[in-house]
Amino acid sequence: KQEVTQIPAALSVPEGENLVLNCSFTDSAIYNLQWFRQDPGKGLTSLLLIQSSQREQTSGRLNASLDKSSGRSTLYIAASQPGDSATYLCAVGSASKIIFGSGTRLSIRP
Amino acid sequence: DVKVTQSSRYLVKRTGEKVFLECVQDMDHENMFWYRQDPGLGLRLIYFSYDVKMKEKGDIPEGYSVSREKKERFSLILESASTNQTSMYLCASSLFGQKLNTDTQYFGPGTRLTVL
Repeated sequence: KQEVTQIPAALSVPEGENLVLNCSFTDSAIYNLQWFRQDPGKGLTSLLLIQSSQREQTSGRLNASLDKSSGRSTLYIAASQPGDSATYLCAVGSASKIIFGSGTRLSIRP
Repeated sequence: DVKVTQSSRYLVKRTGEKVFLECVQDMDHENMFWYRQDPGLGLRLIYFSYDVKMKEKGDIPEGYSVSREKKERFSLILESASTNQTSMYLCASSLFGQKLNTDTQYFGPGTRLTVL
């Protein structure tokens, strides 16, 4: 049974720092991994999708990596800004379902 | 841009009422999904549909049903609402991927349902 874990549950960093969010999964037989952002009381916004054949994807200040063999993905945020404050969730797509992590709540201090 | 809309942002219903949550996407996506999100439990899949009139149960289908009569619209139905169905309900869609989701999921803004 696939399990997706995001540690830490919450993170606070000062503005301007580079940071890494972690996502780990137990079953490496995945189709893809997706990172989302969720603002309080809102829906999810897709940030990056990495297919199982890919190692990383980049969009602006965001870079996501995928290492299937170790069951890990990271989301790197460069030069963090207060507007980056949100909850970040990863979701693993496999043969029969999509499993979401519980998220990391990120706070960027001005 | 893909747009997924949900009929209500907030909804308050009474126990035993029949509740309809509507979701519409405007990008001709084949897959549509209903999730609920609860603190400490994360997102859980209720039902998904990969084609008109096709549906499959997710992880927590009990107490819910769905309807997909048109490609762009996916409805979640609570036949007899109960207090434990108080939650945030999120609809999503994705382009295609056999029966499964292998593509980016686009989410609606969510409906916060309270059952009294």
